[in-house]
Amino acid sequence: GESVGLHLPTLSVQEGDNSIINCAYSNSASDYFIWYKQESGKGPQFIIDIRSNMDKRQGQRVTVLLNKTVKHLSLQIAATQPGDSAVYFCAETYQGAQKLVFGQGTRLTINP
Amino acid sequence: NAGVTQTPKFQVLKTGQSMTLQCAQDMNHEYMSWYRQDPGMGLRLIHYSVGAGITDQGEVPNGYNVSRSTTEDFPLRLLSAAPSQTSVYFCASSYLRTGQWETQYFGPGTRLLVL
Repeated sequence: GESVGLHLPTLSVQEGDNSIINCAYSNSASDYFIWYKQESGKGPQFIIDIRSNMDKRQGQRVTVLLNKTVKHLSLQIAATQPGDSAVYFCAETYQGAQKLVFGQGTRLTINP
Repeated sequence: NAGVTQTPKFQVLKTGQSMTLQCAQDMNHEYMSWYRQDPGMGLRLIHYSVGAGITDQGEVPNGYNVSRSTTEDFPLRLLSAAPSQTSVYFCASSYLRTGQWETQYFGPGTRLLVL
């Protein structure tokens, strides 16, 4: 079946820099996309979401960009902090099923 | 609100034993689901429910049963545990707003080891 994948399994950034985490999806029928943050030993935590009728959505220090033409999703974290260290997952679904398909995840490490 | 709660936090089983993983939510969410997460991987959907009395299979349903007798609870049953079911199990819930499902909120997980 179709699934969501990530370009990079690990990402290291300097504290204070901006981070960009990428995600590719293959199901053209997907219309809802979510970014989750997962810290060690915890469940996934919602960060931000975007529906297919939008290209960009901003939250507090985070921005999600959706490029439907190339089926690409990205998460931008501004002014990265030590607390941002975690594994980040993108997930996709379509409204008819509400079955989330997760990518493998990207581990974000913050260097002091 | 406690959100999504799961019990137990950790469980060790022997091959062939049965057990039930509990999941409860106090947000009156219609949708509930179970995922498993294997090391270094994303979550995979096992079963889900869009309301009391309604359940359906996800991506990896074999070896698991579910039922939804109330809105609040969605237990996951392993009838005969196998080592391949060693994993971390997450329960999640969601709700409808203006005809669209909102994001799923996850519980803290149950770590299961099958020997």
